[in-house]
Amino acid sequence: GDSVTQMEGPVTLSEEAFLTINCTYTATGYPSLFWYVQYPGEGLQLLLKATKADDKGSNKGFEATYRKETTSFHLEKGSVQVSDSAVYFCALKTSYDKVIFGPGTSLSVIP
Amino acid sequence: EAGVAQSPRYKIIEKRQSVAFWCNPISGHATLYWYQQILGQGPKLLIQFQNNGVVDDSQLPKDRFSAERLKGVDSTLKIQPAKLEDSAVYLCASSRGRGSSGNTIYFGEGSWLTVV
Repeated sequence: GDSVTQMEGPVTLSEEAFLTINCTYTATGYPSLFWYVQYPGEGLQLLLKATKADDKGSNKGFEATYRKETTSFHLEKGSVQVSDSAVYFCALKTSYDKVIFGPGTSLSVIP
Repeated sequence: EAGVAQSPRYKIIEKRQSVAFWCNPISGHATLYWYQQILGQGPKLLIQFQNNGVVDDSQLPKDRFSAERLKGVDSTLKIQPAKLEDSAVYLCASSRGRGSSGNTIYFGEGSWLTVV
């Protein structure tokens, strides 16, 4: 069935370090792909999305490219800040509107 | 536009009691979702509505959970009787529906349930 796999956390980085959070998926058809972010005590916020192969989503310095050949949607940021500390969820939305989330990756950025 | 509204934000109940959560989606959004998020885990879909019809409720524990969206707008999720393992955040989300323009789903801030 449809599923999303993310790299396990927690991830701890120093400020200004490079971030990569891996995400791979299994789905039939052509899903849309998303990254959501959850700050402590808050709900999920959309970070970025891509709706077709080779699309690149970007927002707030974060980027992810929809790679159909490797069924991946890795999240990257060139220089993380303390304020980026949160839990990041990769998700897919199928053609029949079902949305499936990965388990989440906790990121801590230390000064 | 106004976001997805949920209430109450926080609720503490004893096991075997009942609780209800309310959600008002973004205006015009046909699809409404209820997710359960246990601490440290990703959200798990409980039920998905398209207008006032159920699309997917395969992971809803129907012996104790129920949900309705009678007029195709707001929705209520009920738990009766509650168990300790129901302690979680209950997230409501909505989207316009199918098609590339409607692909993003938007979340409310969640209803935090603690069962003691």
